[in-house]
Amino acid sequence: QQPVQSPQAVILREGEDAVINCSSSKALYSVHWYRQKHGEAPVFLMILLKGGEQKGHEKISASFNEKKQQSSLYLTASQLSYSGTYFCGTETETSGSRLTFGEGTQLTVNP
Amino acid sequence: DTEVTQTPKHLVMGMTNKKSLKCEQHMGHRAMYWYKQKAKKPPELMFVYSYEKLSINESVPSRFSPECPNSSLLNLHLHALQPEDSALYLCASSQDPGPTYNEQFFGPGTRLTVL
Repeated sequence: QQPVQSPQAVILREGEDAVINCSSSKALYSVHWYRQKHGEAPVFLMILLKGGEQKGHEKISASFNEKKQQSSLYLTASQLSYSGTYFCGTETETSGSRLTFGEGTQLTVNP
Repeated sequence: DTEVTQTPKHLVMGMTNKKSLKCEQHMGHRAMYWYKQKAKKPPELMFVYSYEKLSINESVPSRFSPECPNSSLLNLHLHALQPEDSALYLCASSQDPGPTYNEQFFGPGTRLTVL
């Protein structure tokens, strides 16, 4: 079952903050966050695990709400390099060792 | 070496052609993946290889045939494709199978056009 991401798109000025949300209708085991720039490969940002463990880049901040089956990615003091499409990928109780990606959130950071 | 490489970068083929996509990683990863990505859409899982054995096939049409000759290499053989198969084909690898603790490293992809 595909997770739902919101918002679909967001435009920021450099230095502004943004939050990207990912929610699932199924119980989550893990949530992965990736960023993909136009014409490039998706790049791993973070894994959040049921139980509170996290693994990823130090400068990236995210949360995982097990009760609500949601994850949020926090982008603070945005830089031009943050522009791209952000995908969450979820592993659920029924996904059988596969990641299912949300539709993505397109983030544009302008000077 | 923390890179997944894919060749070719671009491929144009006719509906009667046979071609292959190649993916390579030298990180000692034990799981490798093929994804298909259409424009402005997320990657869609096609196949997963765990320890060189096919573990997941997402009901992909038989005109796509994966092969894992060794732990570092993954091929995707293409035959009698349709124009709707035109997409970016991404290869990825992870240390171990199962996403729980394992981030996936993606290659740059092969942009496939079927005429």
